[in-house]
Amino acid sequence: GENVEQHPSTLSVQEGDSAVIKCTYSDSASNYFPWYKQELGKGPQLIIDIRSNVGEKKDQRIAVTLNKTAKHFSLHITETQPEDSAVYFCAAVRGRALTFGSGTRLQVQP
Amino acid sequence: KAGVTQTPRYLIKTRGQQVTLSCSPISGHRSVSWYQQTPGQGLQFLFEYFSETQRNKGNFPGRFSGRQFSNSRSEMNVSTLELGDSALYLCASSPDRTGELFFGEGSRLTVL
Repeated sequence: GENVEQHPSTLSVQEGDSAVIKCTYSDSASNYFPWYKQELGKGPQLIIDIRSNVGEKKDQRIAVTLNKTAKHFSLHITETQPEDSAVYFCAAVRGRALTFGSGTRLQVQP
Repeated sequence: KAGVTQTPRYLIKTRGQQVTLSCSPISGHRSVSWYQQTPGQGLQFLFEYFSETQRNKGNFPGRFSGRQFSNSRSEMNVSTLELGDSALYLCASSPDRTGELFFGEGSRLTVL
């Protein structure tokens, strides 16, 4: 089955700095790669996604890049703010089964 | 528009008991998926239902089962509970089988 590896497991940045989270996947048939943000006591919330026919997608301070050949994709957050502090999960999707990465705890220091 | 509603939010059971969790998807959404979240294993896919039929199933034992009703509401059942079943169970809905998943807040199960 699909295997998704996510790094780093924790990330601490200063407010205003950029944060980058990286994921690799194993199943070349996966074709949809969403990123979720989970705040304490809440369910994951989709923040950005990318499909396999696209290399990069940007939404304000958040961007995702996908390298299908290398089977890796990354989340970039620029100008980080304290409210960006949360756990971020990447996922690879084949059909309707999502395989999640292990999560990255992002701490933005004011 | 109301989000995905999961009940109960918290529950405590003892080993050997069974539990039923409920999920009401966003109005109009026909696909419901269930996930288990634990500190050790992370987020793991349990199963997906669409039009009252199970479409996909993850690698969980047969003690984990689910169903979907004609109004798209879904329930999952865990029988013969084990300590390791303690987890946050998340339900997610989507309009069809290709769209964005919207997660509920989850049901936190503690097995003593």
